[in-house]
Amino acid sequence: KAGVTQTPRYLIKTRGQQVTLSCSPISGHRSVSWYQQTPGQGLQFLFEYFSETQRNKGNFPGRFSGRQFSNSRSEMNVSTLELGDSALYLCASRINVGREYGYTFGSGTRLTVV
Amino acid sequence: AQKVTQAQTEISVVEKEDVTLDCVYETRDTTYYLFWYKQPPSGELVFLIRRNSFDEQNEISGRYSWNFQKSTSSFNFTITASQVVDSAVYFCALSEVAGGGNKLTFGTGTQLKVEL
Repeated sequence: KAGVTQTPRYLIKTRGQQVTLSCSPISGHRSVSWYQQTPGQGLQFLFEYFSETQRNKGNFPGRFSGRQFSNSRSEMNVSTLELGDSALYLCASRINVGREYGYTFGSGTRLTVV
Repeated sequence: AQKVTQAQTEISVVEKEDVTLDCVYETRDTTYYLFWYKQPPSGELVFLIRRNSFDEQNEISGRYSWNFQKSTSSFNFTITASQVVDSAVYFCALSEVAGGGNKLTFGTGTQLKVEL
């Protein structure tokens, strides 16, 4: 079974630009969540999507948005990039079946804003 | 609000030593899951172990074992006979099923260095 696929792996953007990151969950998983990891703030929850609906959102500004498609693939978008948005962005695919409840993470997208 | 505390920032051990990583959590939910993840330099979070709030039985899986105690809200993780390949950052995480909206709250991580 293929794992969680995140693209691209690395990205360099300029301040003020926008960026879109992609995540394909494990086949059959309908929940996708996104996390931001920075040296200063650690791992922080961005949002979760389930069956194309955002079910939960972390404490991030409106510049951070996302969506989920009917095939469960998800994208997150960051507009008007700031230097502080430089981070590793991790996507997690969740299964919610009894004892198998858990999250599988992708390899992440490392975003650098210059 | 849910919170996870990993008081150990960095631990250094010599290969073959046993090492225990501490984790203390806070939650108001009665139904929750606790996890340990390993993050090597490549960045991916690798799932290690999971425990739900209704099962306090402690287990051993290969070189990994864990001690879950609801009375002290602790979920400690032990690596037996550590190896250099165990060097990584280890995160403890909590997921509240009802009140938390199925999100993971992470601790700040413990950097484990295993030296020859």
